[in-house]
Amino acid sequence: DIQMTQSPSSLSASIGDRVTITCRASQNISSYLNWYQHKPGKAPKLLIYAASTLQSGVPSRFTGSGSGTDFTLTISSLHPEDFATYYYCQQSYNTPYTFGQGTKLEIK
Amino acid sequence: QVQLQESGPGLVKPSETLSLTCTVSGDSISSFYWSWLRQPPGKGLEWIGYIYYSGYTNYSPSLKSRATISLDTSKNQFSLKLSSVTAADTAVYYCARTPYSRSTRFDPWGQGTLVTVSS
Repeated sequence: DIQMTQSPSSLSASIGDRVTITCRASQNISSYLNWYQHKPGKAPKLLIYAASTLQSGVPSRFTGSGSGTDFTLTISSLHPEDFATYYYCQQSYNTPYTFGQGTKLEIK
Repeated sequence: QVQLQESGPGLVKPSETLSLTCTVSGDSISSFYWSWLRQPPGKGLEWIGYIYYSGYTNYSPSLKSRATISLDTSKNQFSLKLSSVTAADTAVYYCARTPYSRSTRFDPWGQGTLVTVSS
């Protein structure tokens, strides 16, 4: 299985800050990488697919980049609704599809 | 707007079979792939498997021997059966549409349903 490692595991920031979350794959996965936002008790939400394609309806402050083994999710200016949530990366290079362990974003 | 809703028992006894159904509205199940995923308490997300409308299935090797995903096109539903459950199968179970182009992804997801394995 391909292992996905996210960093940091948790992050404290303020409204308006720019934050970056990193995801590293245990092998080359080209651009087969997706990002999700998950608020506890709610359905996870797709933010970015194919490493850098913004899902329809997702605000443009979310951007994804990277290829190969190293990827990033950047939120350019944090809004209140971006906090108290987890962000996960997921590889789709091969099955079984696997996720990173998640990054918890909290308000400072 | 596509919506998915999981349903099924919230409590299952050890060694029995967990059965869940996902009802899809706003889209025909006769398109796309459709997946089941889960998240044990305090742990990460795990993909269980998917089914295509043709009936083709693909499972995670860790669950392949116990998981069965099936379709009911007449009801626009798909289902998960997980046999011989143990406490380790306690989790929030999600169903999700699984677009397959460019990068297989899960969108949208159902709200999730907590299944507890306990006697």
